[in-house]
Amino acid sequence: DTAVSQTPKYLVTQMGNDKSIKCEQNLGHDTMYWYKQDSKKFLKIMFSYNNKELIINETVPNRFSPKSPDKAHLNLHINSLELGDSAVYFCASSQDSRVHNEQFFGPGTRLTVL
Amino acid sequence: AQSVAQPEDQVNVAEGNPLTVKCTYSVSGNPYLFWYVQYPNRGLQFLLKYITGDNLVKGSYGFEAEFNKSQTSFHLKKPSALVSDSALYFCAVRVLYNTDKLIFGTGTRLQVFP
Repeated sequence: DTAVSQTPKYLVTQMGNDKSIKCEQNLGHDTMYWYKQDSKKFLKIMFSYNNKELIINETVPNRFSPKSPDKAHLNLHINSLELGDSAVYFCASSQDSRVHNEQFFGPGTRLTVL
Repeated sequence: AQSVAQPEDQVNVAEGNPLTVKCTYSVSGNPYLFWYVQYPNRGLQFLLKYITGDNLVKGSYGFEAEFNKSQTSFHLKKPSALVSDSALYFCAVRVLYNTDKLIFGTGTRLQVFP
């Protein structure tokens, strides 16, 4: 009965590698998000998709590329990983992008770049 | 600039006592305000929101928040704290100007002592 799921939960990798994080929601929501939470717990949006279309793209390096094969999935691919990419990445979804809708968060993926 | 501030990094309270976690905001136009809670190694969970209407908003787990337009505040409150309320609390504001996204405060760690 998981609402928003992410895989993997932990990801440890070397600098320069390419990795992907997958996200799926079974809530029937139209809008999905990726957030980055740094070591100080500061949470910032990276991307937002509505019905598979990109609607928010913050000032994120182009090494980060989201992909939405359908509205229930939003994956995050990261090329040429750097030490500074180490963080917890959260996927979230909301019914749609209207202002009053709360977001439902996944459990997070802790990425460690060595 | 659109922003939300949580002036306290940590709040300590004894079990059974009332608790308040502070949040102030700065937005252009009407504010759409949210509170989320994050338990250790978990994703964020929605607690409550203010969109319009009554200034006192009731949410999950006995929490409530009071919207105060003149003070631009949206403090989270609970009449009687539980040890299980210990967690990281985030205030967030929905920003519509120029882009549509949720901006989070820096978080306040609530510690409830037995």
